[in-house]
Amino acid sequence: DIVMTQSPDSLAVSLGERATINCKSSQSILYTSNNKNYLAWYQQKPRQPPKLLIYWASTRESGVPDRFTGSGSGTDFTLTISSLQAEDVAVYYCHQYYITPHTFGQGTKLEIK
Amino acid sequence: QVQMVESGGGLVNPGGSLRLSCAGSGFIFSDYYMSWIRQAPGKGLEWVSYISSSGSTIYYADSVRGRFTISRDNAKNSLHLQMNSLRADDTAVYYCARGVPAAMVDYWGQGTLVSVSS
Repeated sequence: DIVMTQSPDSLAVSLGERATINCKSSQSILYTSNNKNYLAWYQQKPRQPPKLLIYWASTRESGVPDRFTGSGSGTDFTLTISSLQAEDVAVYYCHQYYITPHTFGQGTKLEIK
Repeated sequence: QVQMVESGGGLVNPGGSLRLSCAGSGFIFSDYYMSWIRQAPGKGLEWVSYISSSGSTIYYADSVRGRFTISRDNAKNSLHLQMNSLRADDTAVYYCARGVPAAMVDYWGQGTLVSVSS
């Protein structure tokens, strides 16, 4: 199984500041035939289901604010929130859909400092 | 709009069975693969099972293989999860999730809570 490891487990950032969450996969999730990284990021707010933010490692889902940016390739990925807003408080998960089981990172809890 | 509504959760004794259902609407159900993903109380997300758009390809997590069975009825826009031999560590909110073919899950239902306890 591909193990997804996020860092940090929790993060406190001031409003308007940058938040950075890292995700590392235990093996490459880059499919060389199409040059796509099979990596998504989800945001989960309390008592809500997860919401898709980013897919193919860097493609923003429709309607997601452009302060959310995904980057990385191969085994190392990053979700960056350029200017933290109050509504961004949530748990963020990375997720590989390269091969089953489609594993998730353990989650990163983002709070306001 | 895209909607998935789960049902069938509840309290069950260890060793018991439950059948979860998910009704999809607002999209062409047969165009998408479907997954069940669960979340134990206060914990992270755990992928449980996958079924392809036609139902011909199925995968399970090791933790549920041999106990859970996923199925779908494209004529009724419905997804099911038959859960047998339930254990305390199966306690979780179970989400029905829609998947873009050969790509990511893009929509999640609100979830249904399964509690396994005596």
